[in-house]
Amino acid sequence: NAGVMQNPRHLVRRRGQEARLRCSPMKGHSHVYWYRQLPEEGLKFMVYLQKENIIDESGMPKERFSAEFPKEGPSILRIQQVVRGDSAAYFCASSPPSGIGDTQYFGPGTRLTVL
Amino acid sequence: AQSVTQLDSHVSVSEGTPVLLRCNYSSSYSPSLFWYVQHPNKGLQLLLKYTSAATLVKGINGFEAEFKKSETSFHLTKPSAHMSDAAEYFCVVSDNFNKFYFGSGTKLNVKP
Repeated sequence: NAGVMQNPRHLVRRRGQEARLRCSPMKGHSHVYWYRQLPEEGLKFMVYLQKENIIDESGMPKERFSAEFPKEGPSILRIQQVVRGDSAAYFCASSPPSGIGDTQYFGPGTRLTVL
Repeated sequence: AQSVTQLDSHVSVSEGTPVLLRCNYSSSYSPSLFWYVQHPNKGLQLLLKYTSAATLVKGINGFEAEFKKSETSFHLTKPSAHMSDAAEYFCVVSDNFNKFYFGSGTKLNVKP
């Protein structure tokens, strides 16, 4: 049973380009979460999605960032017109659809570097 | 509101000695609490989880944590440190809407 998969593992973009980060949840999991980890900090919640629905996007920056989790395929975190401050590790987690307080299982992360 | 405070940003122990990583939480609900470990440039691995069953929770690799409601604490302990335990440890509280709140992390160094 494969764990949470993220790709790419490393992504380099120049300022102004777009970054697309992909996350495939564990088999049987229908809840996906995205977190951002800045250097020397803990993870900060960005967005919580279920299939075709955004449940909570209270941690997403208001501009340039968007996320989706389509009926088929991986969840995508999209960052438009990247800036140097977007350089961070982005982690995806998934959990089963069974209730409150579920364990979230984390992927290996995508490390974004903006030049 | 939920929040987590990890009292030590760095802890250094000698191999074979006990480990104590401190965590205090604030929660408006009856919380779910977790400890995760992150090795350099890797993802997060679940060590253990508390969800209102036994207050002493045993996890993987010999780690355990005790939930103390009166002290709002969830400290992580291990009787004897191993070199492979060197990593960063995160205490996490979950709210009733599945949102995780992370502490700022404690980096554990294990000296030979």
